[in-house]
Amino acid sequence: DTAVSQTPKYLVTQMGNDKSIKCEQNLGHDTMYWYKQDSKKFLKIMFSYNNKELIINETVPNRFSPKSPDKAHLNLHINSLELGDSAVYFCASSQEQNSPLHFGNGTRLTVT
Amino acid sequence: GNSVTQMEGPVTLSEEAFLTINCTYTATGYPSLFWYVQYPGEGLQLLLKATKADDKGSNKGFEATYRKETTSFHLEKGSVQVSDSAVYFCALNSGGYQKVTFGTGTKLQVIP
Repeated sequence: DTAVSQTPKYLVTQMGNDKSIKCEQNLGHDTMYWYKQDSKKFLKIMFSYNNKELIINETVPNRFSPKSPDKAHLNLHINSLELGDSAVYFCASSQEQNSPLHFGNGTRLTVT
Repeated sequence: GNSVTQMEGPVTLSEEAFLTINCTYTATGYPSLFWYVQYPGEGLQLLLKATKADDKGSNKGFEATYRKETTSFHLEKGSVQVSDSAVYFCALNSGGYQKVTFGTGTKLQVIP
């Protein structure tokens, strides 16, 4: 009965590879997000989708491409991985404006 | 733009000590304010929230009051436990497609 689930939990890969992280929410929420958390715990929003439509696209390299096949799923594909992409990536969802965010447990990406 | 400033950590307290983590914000309009908690290896979880001035959010013995005059939302707990050891994030949402602004997080360590 996990509310927001993302896979994999850990991802270790080499520079230059392409990888994907998947996210699913079973809360019936309309909005989903991707956040990046660096080693100092700083959280930065990357993307937000509302009903499969992109509504927030922060200054993120275009190597990062989100895809939302339906409003319960928001996947993150990363091309040509770089060392600086190493971080923990969190998926989240929310129902409406000003409502709290529900986070997944994160995917720790390590690029070597 | 919106911003959230919270005290730098880490904060180390003995069990049963009083906790205050300061949070101040700048925002346009009338934001909703939140405290999230992140336990090791997990995603963020909502701890408490307040949606208008003078509201007090409370949960698990934690409290925070929305102070518009001082633009603050300080987190307090009367008697901390070892299990409260985590990173605490203050956040605001001024509406409009859920662009949430997070503080930098404050790590709390409670020692027996």
